[in-house]
Amino acid sequence: KQEVTQIPAALSVPEGENLVLNCSFTDSAIYNLQWFRQDPGKGLTSLLLIQSSQREQTSGRLNASLDKSSGRSTLYIAASQPGDSATYLCAVNEDSNYQLIWGAGTKLIIKP
Amino acid sequence: NAGVTQTPKFQVLKTGQSMTLQCAQDMNHEYMSWYRQDPGMGLRLIHYSVGAGITDQGEVPNGYNVSRSTTEDFPLRLLSAAPSQTSVYFCASSYSRSADTQYFGPGTRLTVL
Repeated sequence: KQEVTQIPAALSVPEGENLVLNCSFTDSAIYNLQWFRQDPGKGLTSLLLIQSSQREQTSGRLNASLDKSSGRSTLYIAASQPGDSATYLCAVNEDSNYQLIWGAGTKLIIKP
Repeated sequence: NAGVTQTPKFQVLKTGQSMTLQCAQDMNHEYMSWYRQDPGMGLRLIHYSVGAGITDQGEVPNGYNVSRSTTEDFPLRLLSAAPSQTSVYFCASSYSRSADTQYFGPGTRLTVL
């Protein structure tokens, strides 16, 4: 059974730092992997989607990488800003049934 | 486009009561789904639909019912609420089940006493 883990559960860094959020999964047979952002009291917003055949995707200050063989993905945030404070979730789209399996998220706080 | 809308935003129920959480999307998406989010856990799929008239169970379907009579609407019914159903519920939609980005509603926070 696919399991998705995000470590750490919470992270606090000063503004301006570059940071990396981690996501690991147990079964490499995935269709794609997605990173989402969740703000308190709001829904989830899709940030990046990486197909299984891709190694990385970039959007602005965000870069997501995928290493299927090792079961890992990272979300790199450059020059962090207080507005980046949110919970970041990764979800794996399983190859067999296209069901999204979610990590519990990393709560990120950027201190001004 | 309003995107994905959910009502109500908050709801308190007593054990045994029933209610319907509403979800609608105006993007003509075929795929719609319901998730619940509990503290310290990832989202879990309750039910999903690949098109009008077609629904199927997800990971945690017990105690919930769905129907899809139109492309736009996908209501979630709690048949007899239990405290274990206290959670935040999210509706999501996408063009297809497999490759596309999913769009989420703002969520419904449900408390069952």
